[in-house]
Amino acid sequence: DAGVIQSPRHEVTEMGQEVTLRCKPISGHDYLFWYRQTMMRGLELLIYFNNNVPIDDSGMPEDRFSAKMPNASFSTLKIQPSEPRDSAVYFCASSGLAGGPLPSYNEQFFGPGTRLTVL
Amino acid sequence: GENVGLHLPTLSVQEGDNSIINCAYSNSASDYFIWYKQESGKGPQFIIDIRSNMDKRQGQRVTVLLNKTVKHLSLQIAATQPGDSAVYFCAASTSGTYKYIFGTGTRLKVLA
Repeated sequence: DAGVIQSPRHEVTEMGQEVTLRCKPISGHDYLFWYRQTMMRGLELLIYFNNNVPIDDSGMPEDRFSAKMPNASFSTLKIQPSEPRDSAVYFCASSGLAGGPLPSYNEQFFGPGTRLTVL
Repeated sequence: GENVGLHLPTLSVQEGDNSIINCAYSNSASDYFIWYKQESGKGPQFIIDIRSNMDKRQGQRVTVLLNKTVKHLSLQIAATQPGDSAVYFCAASTSGTYKYIFGTGTRLKVLA
């Protein structure tokens, strides 16, 4: 398996532009997470999905941010309009049920991240 | 102006020595804990996990210790190697959720 795939790896845009980040989770995983990492705030969970349904979006900073998961193999994180303070590395992660009788705490597999710079 | 960034604590160890990285958590309801390693330019990579019904778990060259009384966990790396140089994060989760709360991280530098 290729792991979690994110695109683009780097994005430079100007303030006010729309930015769309993409993620392909590991096949078979039913949880998908979007994180943001900055020097100031560390690694923050923005939103996560289960079976393509948003479960918790309490970490989404404001209405300029939106995330979708139209199917099990694709998710987007959109920022419109973008601002310089949105500059960060955005990670997507996925996890799946281990199966069996044990509680399903599962490792989250992270993608390589998208480094976003808003000028 | 630009905000001052977080100053990550740094642990410098000699190659071959053992490393101990510490982490404190605040939510006493947390019952699942994970250590991640993040190399420069890459996403976090899982190292080892532990559930609250355990106080110690060992992997290959790594050991995680959990002290629920003081809400503290540590990661021990035996015979530290140059490839271990990275930022290490602990994360905590609570049963019934899949949310991880990550710590701020510790930078490990391995000296040759």
